[in-house]
Amino acid sequence: EAQVTQNPRYLITVTGKKLTVTCSQNMNHEYMSWYRQDPGLGLRQIYYSMNVEVTDKGDVPEGYKVSRKEKRNFPLILESPSPNQTSLYFCASSSKLARNIQYFGAGTRLSVL
Amino acid sequence: DAKTTQPPSMDCAEGRAANLPCNHSTISGNEYVYWYRQIHSQGPQYIIHGLKNNETNEMASLIITEDRKSSTLILPHATLRDTAVYYCIVRVEWGSQGNLIFGKGTKLSVKP
Repeated sequence: EAQVTQNPRYLITVTGKKLTVTCSQNMNHEYMSWYRQDPGLGLRQIYYSMNVEVTDKGDVPEGYKVSRKEKRNFPLILESPSPNQTSLYFCASSSKLARNIQYFGAGTRLSVL
Repeated sequence: DAKTTQPPSMDCAEGRAANLPCNHSTISGNEYVYWYRQIHSQGPQYIIHGLKNNETNEMASLIITEDRKSSTLILPHATLRDTAVYYCIVRVEWGSQGNLIFGKGTKLSVKP
């Protein structure tokens, strides 16, 4: 089954404790992306990757890092989480031939205390 | 990307057709209309897209007006599970940069 898998689904952490949210897709997609969703602000893109070893900033990249060492994986790293990064996070992927048809993961709900 | 305008909310009776409008009066010739939906706190789900002809798939139908300035997503027999926020997005298909802009969408409530 084609899917985008995020882990963990729920995470509560404390300020400053580094964390990684993993994202994996099994569709051999070139394009992957991270979004965050906050009430009243909608979905905002954090980082995206056009292919392996190619990443670029989205609209709200501050406080986040990503890497794309393998085609299937696109982890989101918070080196020093802060309470304003409490949010619902989504990973998405798409093929380069259909960039606008994105497949989304189930989401990771992060709380930073 | 052209701007879209959608009503903030709509109600629909279960079993009836849900018709969700979208206005995109500044759409350019090479921009497609895409529809996504997001069921409460789940990841957005692609539904359908089109350029100028009407489109239908197993989920929905998309009707685009002849002047392409507006479109309607039709869920022919809405169920309670279709309750979600529906997003209309206008975007070029090839060579687009940046991300999908989801906007506020239309919150569809399907009622028994």
